[in-house]
Amino acid sequence: EIVLTQSPGTLSLSPGERATLSCRASQSLSSSYLAWYQQKPGQAPRLLIYGASSRATGIPDRFSGSGSGTDFTLTISRLEPEDFAVYYCQQYVASPPDTFGQGAKLEIK
Amino acid sequence: QVTLRESGPALVKPTQTLTLTCTFSGFSLSTSGMCVSWIRQPPGKALEWLARIDWDDDKFYSTPLKTRLTISKDTSKNQVVLRMTNMDPVDTATYYCARMRKSLVSNTWFPPDCWGQGTLVTVSS
Repeated sequence: EIVLTQSPGTLSLSPGERATLSCRASQSLSSSYLAWYQQKPGQAPRLLIYGASSRATGIPDRFSGSGSGTDFTLTISRLEPEDFAVYYCQQYVASPPDTFGQGAKLEIK
Repeated sequence: QVTLRESGPALVKPTQTLTLTCTFSGFSLSTSGMCVSWIRQPPGKALEWLARIDWDDDKFYSTPLKTRLTISKDTSKNQVVLRMTNMDPVDTATYYCARMRKSLVSNTWFPPDCWGQGTLVTVSS
């Protein structure tokens, strides 16, 4: 089973700054089936990025994903107040099990 | 518009069996490429993938929970049911169902993109 490790666990930034979140897989992901989600308190996760770098429908272009193999990154170019939340990476596969990272909290500095 | 809604008991006792139903609209599990996954989240903790059922009735389970989980579908009712046996307090969590799909044209998988609001299940005597 593939293990996803996210870093840092918590990132403290101010609105307008750039955020970079990392997700490392314990083995190479075939076809870059790596997704990123945003979750706010009391809400279901919201899909941001799929296929490592494609934005989901309606996601602002300040969110971008990159990476391949075992190392992936979510970048938020200029933080808006509504971007402060918890972010999860997920590897999804044709033949599961799928796995999630442990999450990374983006908090206001 | 795709919607999903989880339903089931809010409280179960240890050793009991939990049965959750995901009722969805806006897509059909009889359509090739459509899937429904279950994911849970203990309070204050990370997401955990549980199971998936595909349009062709393929079923997949979390490795550590495999012996306790059963997933099934009723395409006529647009429902997916998840059963988890021998419930324990550590199974206390919000349980989500979500749609996942595969493009048969491009042979590409897409992650869960539409989620229910989740249902909190507490395991306690």
